[in-house]
Amino acid sequence: GAVVSQHPSRVICKSGTSVKIECRSLDFQATTMFWYRQFPKQSLMLMATSNEGSKATYEQGVEKDKFLINHASLTLSTLTVTSAHPEDSSFYICSASRLGGGELYNEQFFGPGTRLTVL
Amino acid sequence: LAKTTQPVSMDSYEGQEVNITCSHNNIATNDYITWYQQFPSQGPRFIIQGYKTKVTNEVASLFIPADRKSSTLSLPRVSLSDTAVYYCLVGVGGFKTIFGAGTRLFVKA
Repeated sequence: GAVVSQHPSRVICKSGTSVKIECRSLDFQATTMFWYRQFPKQSLMLMATSNEGSKATYEQGVEKDKFLINHASLTLSTLTVTSAHPEDSSFYICSASRLGGGELYNEQFFGPGTRLTVL
Repeated sequence: LAKTTQPVSMDSYEGQEVNITCSHNNIATNDYITWYQQFPSQGPRFIIQGYKTKVTNEVASLFIPADRKSSTLSLPRVSLSDTAVYYCLVGVGGFKTIFGAGTRLFVKA
């Protein structure tokens, strides 16, 4: 159980276009979802925290108007990269915290990631 | 948020036990310690979590001293497929956690 999916797994787009990435918790309800970005050979960098039904909280230096996050339900969060440019090319990963927690109080369940390439 | 410090990289041979230590000097009372494994172009995968003393599951053990300012992930008898980056995270459920640089483990034949 506790599976998180992302769609698409990889996407290539032209500079100036917008790209939407979906993150779904398949078999549990997620109170909180997180979005990360990871550049080659680097660690995951937290971009924003989103709670269902409320506005996302962005980390310092992350442009909220460029990276639009919507968390409309307890199983779905979306990240839209608007007016993408080559420097936005990266590996985007989402994670979800399970409602109720259970035994593992701080477990985040990670999606498989989305490779974005902007030409 | 508690900051974590880990060795940048470690090398080992197949069949050996590997211990990766993480330092988290300013861990808070409510914080749990969680370790993740990440392969290239994949999302991190949960390995083990603990609060204090020792935790063991089918893949690893986690040792946490009484002061909780550090923790050690122990991987028994590693194989080539254990080559990955290992991250130590400290935090509370539902709240954001910050990834440190991680430890790049390379297992040789």
